[in-house]
Amino acid sequence: QKEVEQNSGPLSVPEGAIASLNCTYSDRGSQSFFWYRQYSGKSPELIMFIYSNGDKEDGRFTAQLNKASQYVSLLIRDSQPSDSATYLCAVNGNQFYFGTGTSLTVIP
Amino acid sequence: NAGVTQTPKFQVLKTGQSMTLQCAQDMNHNSMYWYRQDPGMGLRLIYYSASEGTTDKGEVPNGYNVSRLNKREFSLRLESAAPSQTSVYFCASSESGTGAHEQYFGPGTRLTVT
Repeated sequence: QKEVEQNSGPLSVPEGAIASLNCTYSDRGSQSFFWYRQYSGKSPELIMFIYSNGDKEDGRFTAQLNKASQYVSLLIRDSQPSDSATYLCAVNGNQFYFGTGTSLTVIP
Repeated sequence: NAGVTQTPKFQVLKTGQSMTLQCAQDMNHNSMYWYRQDPGMGLRLIYYSASEGTTDKGEVPNGYNVSRLNKREFSLRLESAAPSQTSVYFCASSESGTGAHEQYFGPGTRLTVT
C-alpha cells in the first residue's frame, strides 16, 4: 500500500464548476497535509496546507481534513482554465510523502 | 530572493558517465531534499538533509550520493549513470524537516541517460 493515494484522473470540469480532488494516506501519525499544483514542465508550487480536522479556505480553494478517515481533499470553486494542472497531495509523517497527482482539466 | 536554484536545467549522459547536480537556496532553510519524478510514479525522495552536516536516505537512494556542502548548498551525484536514472530531478528546501513546514522546489533538472 502506498503512503499517499490519489486518483490519477484525468478529471475534467467545465469552467465555473467546483473541482473536487481527493487523497488518502496510510500513516495515522501524520500531522501536516499539503496540496501542490504542478503545471506541465514546471516544478510543484504550494497552494494550501492544513494541520487540523475540518475545513480551511483560501480564496477559491478549500482544503478539508478528516484524520479519523485518513482523508484530505481540495475543492476548487469557480474553476478557471488556468487551474488546469496536476495537483499533488503531500503528507508529512516520519517522512514527506507525495501522491502521484491528479490531472485536472478545466474546459472553457 | 531567487528561492531554490538548480543547475544544469538539462543534461544528456551516456551510460557509465558521472555528473553532479547542484542545488542552492537563499531562504536560510535548515532542510534540503532531492526528488526524482517519473511518469506515473510521482515524486520520490532520493536523499534529504535535515540540517547542515546530516544526510539521510529516502525511498530510492541506490545509485546516488549527496553532499550538504553548507547550509545553502546540497548536491546530488550520479557516479555511474544508468538509463533507469533518466528522470526529472527536483531539489527542495524547507525551514525544518520536523513536520509543519512546506517545501519549496527548484525548477528541476531534466536528465537523459542513453
